[in-house]
Amino acid sequence: DAGVIQSPRHEVTEMGQEVTLRCKPISGHNSLFWYRQTMMRGLELLIYFNNNVPIDDSGMPEDRFSAKMPNASFSTLKIQPSEPRDSAVYFCASSSGTGELFFGEGSRLTVL
Amino acid sequence: QQPVQSPQAVILREGEDAVINCSSSKALYSVHWYRQKHGEAPVFLMILLKGGEQKGHEKISASFNEKKQQSSLYLTASQLSYSGTYFCGTLSGGYQKVTFGTGTKLQVIP
Repeated sequence: DAGVIQSPRHEVTEMGQEVTLRCKPISGHNSLFWYRQTMMRGLELLIYFNNNVPIDDSGMPEDRFSAKMPNASFSTLKIQPSEPRDSAVYFCASSSGTGELFFGEGSRLTVL
Repeated sequence: QQPVQSPQAVILREGEDAVINCSSSKALYSVHWYRQKHGEAPVFLMILLKGGEQKGHEKISASFNEKKQQSSLYLTASQLSYSGTYFCGTLSGGYQKVTFGTGTKLQVIP
């Protein structure tokens, strides 16, 4: 199994630009999670989906952030417009319901 | 509410033991433990379920005190490969919403 696949691995952009992060979960997993990791706040859950349906988006910081899961094999996290405080590592994780989260390698975002 | 971990950091020599604690202000269904090496993704170690059932890693053990809403991770006879940041994750709702703790940075030296 290829594991959770995220792209891009690194993104450097300027303030005000749109950023789209992508995630392909492990085949057969029915839950998908987006986390953000920073030194100050640690690992924060932004949103999670179950069977492609958003269950809890209370962690999404503001309206500039949006996430979609159009099918079982793809999800996106979009930031528009981006700000320097959005700089972080964004992780996508998937789960089959056993409780174990399988994380992707992360997307490191730098907003200048 | 984010679970609180202690200590924040610890340095061990190979072969020494360590305990990492995780405390929550909420009633817990389960506690999860992950290890993250620098520049890498967190990797699952173990899950402890309400009621005492335990799953996970063969060389690292953990306990879960439901009444105190606390969990402890025990690393015995530490190896260099144990170095990394350890996170506990707690599940207190009906869904799979895992809230991660503040992290404990562990370094094992020769």
